[in-house]
Amino acid sequence: DAEITQSPRHKITETGRQVTLACHQTWNHNNMFWYRQDLGHGLRLIHYSYGVQDTNKGEVSDGYSVSRSNTEDLPLTLESAASSQTSVYFCASRPQGMQPQHFGDGTRLSIL
Amino acid sequence: GENVEQHPSTLSVQEGDSAVIKCTYSDSASNYFPWYKQELGKRPQLIIDIRSNVGEKKDQRIAVTLNKTAKHFSLHITETQPEDSAVYFCAANPRGGTSYGKLTFGQGTILTVHP
Repeated sequence: DAEITQSPRHKITETGRQVTLACHQTWNHNNMFWYRQDLGHGLRLIHYSYGVQDTNKGEVSDGYSVSRSNTEDLPLTLESAASSQTSVYFCASRPQGMQPQHFGDGTRLSIL
Repeated sequence: GENVEQHPSTLSVQEGDSAVIKCTYSDSASNYFPWYKQELGKRPQLIIDIRSNVGEKKDQRIAVTLNKTAKHFSLHITETQPEDSAVYFCAANPRGGTSYGKLTFGQGTILTVHP
């Protein structure tokens, strides 16, 4: 079955380090998204992509970057990790049109 | 851009009662409205969705209604069970412009069903 996978599922790192979270989907969806989820804030959009070589900033993009070199992958990079970026990160994808969006299992990131 | 407001933020019901969660949206061009359920420590999962050309959709104990004139849509859960306890998110999808393809989510409702 087609699916969307995130790795790692859990990560602990130190402030100032560069961190990359992986997201891979096998549905061949053009649209891919990264969210962070913190208590009391729901799902906040970090970055998104509508296709290869396309990337866009979401509402909380500062300190994060993404790249889209192929349809399947949208890695999220924290350039210099800060304690405020401790969160649960969800990747999602959906096809064009009025179609559902599917989420990965999430990555729990702790920055000490 | 689109703005989605969701109420209530918390909802507590007794097993067997009904639960209703309401969302309003700002962009009259939005045309697709999914609902997600997120259990503790899990991913959000789609439970039901509705398109703008339909006023109501039902799937067993879950139903969604859409009022395009008032720009609001609601999730109805009947005969609630303890396993319905979760966080529920509504979302809206704008029809076009730079927001096309990007869902806007409500803040979530924590539903607790007491046995």
